[in-house]
Amino acid sequence: DAKTTQPPSMDCAEGRAANLPCNHSTISGNEYVYWYRQIHSQGPQYIIHGLKNNETNEMASLIITEDRKSSTLILPHATLRDTAVYYCIVRPFNTGGFKTIFGAGTRLFVKA
Amino acid sequence: GAGVSQSPRYKVTKRGQDVALRCDPISGHVSLYWYRQALGQGPEFLTYFNYEAQQDKSGLPNDRFSAERPEGSISTLTIQRTEQRDSAMYRCASSPAGVESNQPQHFGDGTRLSIL
Repeated sequence: DAKTTQPPSMDCAEGRAANLPCNHSTISGNEYVYWYRQIHSQGPQYIIHGLKNNETNEMASLIITEDRKSSTLILPHATLRDTAVYYCIVRPFNTGGFKTIFGAGTRLFVKA
Repeated sequence: GAGVSQSPRYKVTKRGQDVALRCDPISGHVSLYWYRQALGQGPEFLTYFNYEAQQDKSGLPNDRFSAERPEGSISTLTIQRTEQRDSAMYRCASSPAGVESNQPQHFGDGTRLSIL
């Protein structure tokens, strides 16, 4: 079973920020939070990951709560091409971190 | 290209036949993963390699499924005596370092397998 919980779907207006939540209340101290997205039938695309500090890259920002039990992926200016399924995953970075478990993700619809 | 390459892109075969799916990871990547993805669902972990060593095969559904990576680069996922329930998208991913690092996985576009 996935260790994360995400809403099944969300809408966002084009040009606005898309804020995608993820709950990972059982996260362990050695587990990172990763975000991937999948557009149509393409392979999942890596977006960003973090351990406890907020992270930002050219694609998105990741905000992790202080207790690390939840996080939010922020797409600052969503475009139609950001319509995709977004997966939030927790995964340990040391021994035993072989298995990566994807849940059902959040289907984001960006509307004009 | 520089990404993970999978072949064939599509495979249609009759029930009972064996199939072999190939994954060519990004050059130099240590870790290689196989996943299966049903329509409308997230990828389901099948197996993991660190170089040529298969370190986790707990996700393989049954003994008809096997995988190898003999030289620590290209990997083959083999399904023997295929059944209709094996129909799915099969995806491969690679990562530059072992599981002790936090490096993300890079996915290929998959092989869509259809069993008639």
